[in-house]
Amino acid sequence: AQSVTQPDIHITVSEGASLELRCNYSYGATPYLFWYVQSPGQGLQLLLKYFSGDTLVQGIKGFEAEFKRSQSSFNLRKPSVHWSDAAEYFCAVDPGTASKLTFGTGTRLQVTL
Amino acid sequence: NAGVMQNPRHLVRRRGQEARLRCSPMKGHSHVYWYRQLPEEGLKFMVYLQKENIIDESGMPKERFSAEFPKEGPSILRIQQVVRGDSAAYFCASSQQPQETQYFGPGTRLLVL
Repeated sequence: AQSVTQPDIHITVSEGASLELRCNYSYGATPYLFWYVQSPGQGLQLLLKYFSGDTLVQGIKGFEAEFKRSQSSFNLRKPSVHWSDAAEYFCAVDPGTASKLTFGTGTRLQVTL
Repeated sequence: NAGVMQNPRHLVRRRGQEARLRCSPMKGHSHVYWYRQLPEEGLKFMVYLQKENIIDESGMPKERFSAEFPKEGPSILRIQQVVRGDSAAYFCASSQQPQETQYFGPGTRLLVL
């Protein structure tokens, strides 16, 4: 069965610093890949998605992610973090057949001023 | 275009009572997905429905849980005889077509006393 690993449970960065959140997946073929963000007590908001094509994907709020097939990774990046980016970030995989997302356990981002 | 609507946002039940969670998908979306998020965990798929059909219920507990998406009205996730372990956030998502992006509602936070 497919799985998603987010190895960093909690990350703290200073405002203005760059950010990279890691995501690795385990699946035979190339799945559909997503990053969602969840603010405390809120639902999930889609940041970006990769279905096919260009492996560098641009999303909302200045986020981007790069799909690397050889590493089975889909890491999320932002060049300069804002205090409002503090939230929990979830990587998710859809194998493209089952129409159900498999989520990682999330990375909680804290931003210091 | 209104997003995915869920109600109630918060629900408190005593052990043994029934919980009914409602989800109205985005306009034009006929595919609904339910996920459960236990404290400090990622989201886990429960069930995928189209109008009047359950497509995939592989994530549903075998007992006490049921879901429906009638021809008219919202999708309902029903939990009978709730136990403390059912306390969680329940999220609904919808998509226009299967394997397309899922958009999430704000969730219903169920607390079982």
